[in-house]
Amino acid sequence: GAGVSQSPSNKVTEKGKDVELRCDPISGHTALYWYRQSLGQGLEFLIYFQGNSAPDKSGLPSDRFSAERTGGSVSTLTIQRTQQEDSAVYLCASRRTGQQPQHFGDGTRLSIL
Amino acid sequence: AQKITQTQPGMFVQEKEAVTLDCTYDTSDQSYGLFWYKQPSSGEMIFLIYQGSYDEQNATEGRYSLNFQKARKSANLVISASQLGDSAMYFCAMREAYSGGGADGLTFGKGTHLIIQP
Repeated sequence: GAGVSQSPSNKVTEKGKDVELRCDPISGHTALYWYRQSLGQGLEFLIYFQGNSAPDKSGLPSDRFSAERTGGSVSTLTIQRTQQEDSAVYLCASRRTGQQPQHFGDGTRLSIL
Repeated sequence: AQKITQTQPGMFVQEKEAVTLDCTYDTSDQSYGLFWYKQPSSGEMIFLIYQGSYDEQNATEGRYSLNFQKARKSANLVISASQLGDSAMYFCAMREAYSGGGADGLTFGKGTHLIIQP
């Protein structure tokens, strides 16, 4: 497909488990972004990649969160030892260059029981 | 202080009327970009319109236009001839060139829930 693809679309897991969320950006888009959307916090920026590098990881909420990107394409957001407050929709976006807009995937709805 | 302020949590508008969604922003950067996104109940974030801080003309995209008032730090979205399908959450967002600390992410407002009534 032509858009940003995220998987899984829904994930339910028990507190304390690790989860991996995947994002496949639009082909040719060099920049990739992760956001979190929750009722209490709205839309929060987490991290971005330019190529495979993440210049600033300060948006990640805790050291339980990590992300990587390989081959300038697919990215994985990993949450270790999940907590209930991690429940949210995790959105991925990609952008070509310059002032081009970010294009979002449909998100992964994460529920921690 | 909030970087993006959307003062209208919800709006009801009659179909075919024009709608203005308010957005004010706060930045010390000279170079920045302003974006509007639409999020229907299905959840996807749809890009609507972009305004660069150096753009002299207000941006327009079909029925969408951006009323950019730089001195007032205002970037209101105007939807002309509203349709039932315009019912959604609308988010104003900003990308700062320098104050973002290299993070390059968008800062979003809390959104306006627009409901178009027949």
